[in-house]
Amino acid sequence: EDQVTQSPEALRLQEGESSSLNCSYTVSGLRGLFWYRQDPGKGPEFLFTLYSAGEEKEKERLKATLTKKESFLHITAPKPEDSATYLCAVGSTGANSKLTFGKGITLSVRP
Amino acid sequence: NAGVTQTPKFRILKIGQSMTLQCTQDMNHNYMYWYRQDPGMGLKLIYYSVGAGITDKGEVPNGYNVSRSTTEDFPLRLELAAPSQTSVYFCASSYRQETQYFGPGTRLLVL
Repeated sequence: EDQVTQSPEALRLQEGESSSLNCSYTVSGLRGLFWYRQDPGKGPEFLFTLYSAGEEKEKERLKATLTKKESFLHITAPKPEDSATYLCAVGSTGANSKLTFGKGITLSVRP
Repeated sequence: NAGVTQTPKFRILKIGQSMTLQCTQDMNHNYMYWYRQDPGMGLKLIYYSVGAGITDKGEVPNGYNVSRSTTEDFPLRLELAAPSQTSVYFCASSYRQETQYFGPGTRLLVL
């Protein structure tokens, strides 16, 4: 059974204080690892897809990396508008398209 | 493109009532999904569909039904609503097994 564990559950940062969010996973065969951002009262918004260990992707202050066991979402010099819940999900190889989601990490950035 | 749209945004049901949550996508995606999200929990897959006329159960299908008569629409039916179905429901779509794009959600309260 695929599993995704995200840590910490919540993270409070000062504006400009860089940090990383962790997503540990177990999957029979990785089809892709997905990062989403979710603002309160809204649906998840797609950020990145990573397909193989060593892959990295960047978008503004966010950088996602992938190893065979975990993914990190690095946030460089965060701003208050980066405050949100960040969701990690994995898809496994096989005949279906299902994703397994972690519980999310709630990030709060104080000005 | 509107992407994935969901109606209604919010609904209060009495125990035993039934309702249909609507989901429409205009991206010509063949795969569609229904998730529920409870506080502090990850997204749980209820049902999914890989094309018109084809549906399959996800992780938590009990108490729900779906149909897929067109590529665009994937309604979720709740029969005999129960307090345990109080949740936020998200519809998503994807092209094959690629990135899933989510709608804004329907907040349901069963009293």
